[in-house]
Amino acid sequence: GAGVSQSPSNKVTEKGKDVELRCDPISGHTALYWYRQSLGQGLEFLIYFQGNSAPDKSGLPSDRFSAERTGGSVSTLTIQRTQQEDSAVYLCASSPWSLERYTFGSGTRLTVV
Amino acid sequence: AQTVTQSQPEMSVQEAETVTLSCTYDTSESDYYLFWYKQPPSRQMILVIRQEAYKQQNATENRFSVNFQKAAKSFSLKISDSQLGDAAMYFCAQSGGSNYKLTFGKGTLLTVNP
Repeated sequence: GAGVSQSPSNKVTEKGKDVELRCDPISGHTALYWYRQSLGQGLEFLIYFQGNSAPDKSGLPSDRFSAERTGGSVSTLTIQRTQQEDSAVYLCASSPWSLERYTFGSGTRLTVV
Repeated sequence: AQTVTQSQPEMSVQEAETVTLSCTYDTSESDYYLFWYKQPPSRQMILVIRQEAYKQQNATENRFSVNFQKAAKSFSLKISDSQLGDAAMYFCAQSGGSNYKLTFGKGTLLTVNP
């Protein structure tokens, strides 16, 4: 596609429920990243996928968070047993090898009530 | 560990005037990149300008320029001839030696007054 697409745009969920956030990167981009933006904060790195290599999961805040990338394209970020502190905007980005074209999506705003 | 500090939570500027947003960073890497991103209410992060640490020349993109002081680990953004459309949150960011993971500051909210 023309840009990085994320869905849903907004998600409200009850505490304790599981949620799945989707990211559809730019076609041909081998790298995909997830970041979290809490209120009043900058972006926090969560996870990085590059081609068929093992993902860098060093930013995931707890084992309730997981992500997968199927077929080197679409990625899903899953948060299990959501907590109120998980409320944030989750941003996805993709890039070819060059950082110059690191393109972000518009994010999913997750609200846990 | 890398850190990026933006000491100005909010700034305002009159339309057509010039404003400078501050950013300092800390890293042990010798090879890295620095970025300024703009985030309007649409939430999408838009790259404004990028600087390679090995280049001494300051990057410029039309009305946007940086003052990169490597020894002082400072990377400020100057916006000239400010326009109403420049109003947004601005984030300073740094990539590490691996060149894929970005560390962001907390942002500066820029208001442009007509």
